[in-house]
Amino acid sequence: NAGVMQNPRHLVRRRGQEARLRCSPMKGHSHVYWYRQLPEEGLKFMVYLQKENIIDESGMPKERFSAEFPKEGPSILRIQQVVRGDSAAYFCASSPPIADTGELFFGEGSRLTVL
Amino acid sequence: AQTVTQSQPEMSVQEAETVTLSCTYDTSESNYYLFWYKQPPSRQMILVIRQEAYKQQNATENRFSVNFQKAAKSFSLKISDSQLGDTAMYFCAFSDAGGTSYGKLTFGQGTILTVHP
Repeated sequence: NAGVMQNPRHLVRRRGQEARLRCSPMKGHSHVYWYRQLPEEGLKFMVYLQKENIIDESGMPKERFSAEFPKEGPSILRIQQVVRGDSAAYFCASSPPIADTGELFFGEGSRLTVL
Repeated sequence: AQTVTQSQPEMSVQEAETVTLSCTYDTSESNYYLFWYKQPPSRQMILVIRQEAYKQQNATENRFSVNFQKAAKSFSLKISDSQLGDTAMYFCAFSDAGGTSYGKLTFGQGTILTVHP
């Protein structure tokens, strides 16, 4: 049973370009979460999505960042006009539709470097 | 808003010894989950142990155990018989138990643990 799959693992962009990070949740999981980890810091919640719905985006920067989880295909975190401060590791996590453990299953992360 | 504090930026321990990592949190919720995650150099986030706030019994997973003090809002991790593979960054995390907060983890700053041979 494959875990949470993220790609690309590493992405390099120049300032002003767009970055797209993809996440395929574990089989049977319909809840997806995105977290950002800046260097030397803990993970910070960004957004919580279910299929075709954004449930909680309270951690998303107001501009340039967007996320979606379409009916078909992976969840995508999109960062437009990247700046150096966007350099970070972006982690995706998933959970099943009914869970009483509170546990999230994390992917290996996508490391974004902005030159 | 919930906060999670790990006051030990770095810890070290000799192989086979025991080490305790500290974590305190602040919340007004009565039902919630607490977690310890391990992040080795590969940067994969690995769940070490979890605790449900309504359970008084401390969780244990093999060499890992917690000391959960709900009134004190303290959640420390004890690693017994430390192994070289335990070397990693350890994060304490909090999650509200329900509603739209489900899965919305609040992480501490992390503690770098180094196990020496």
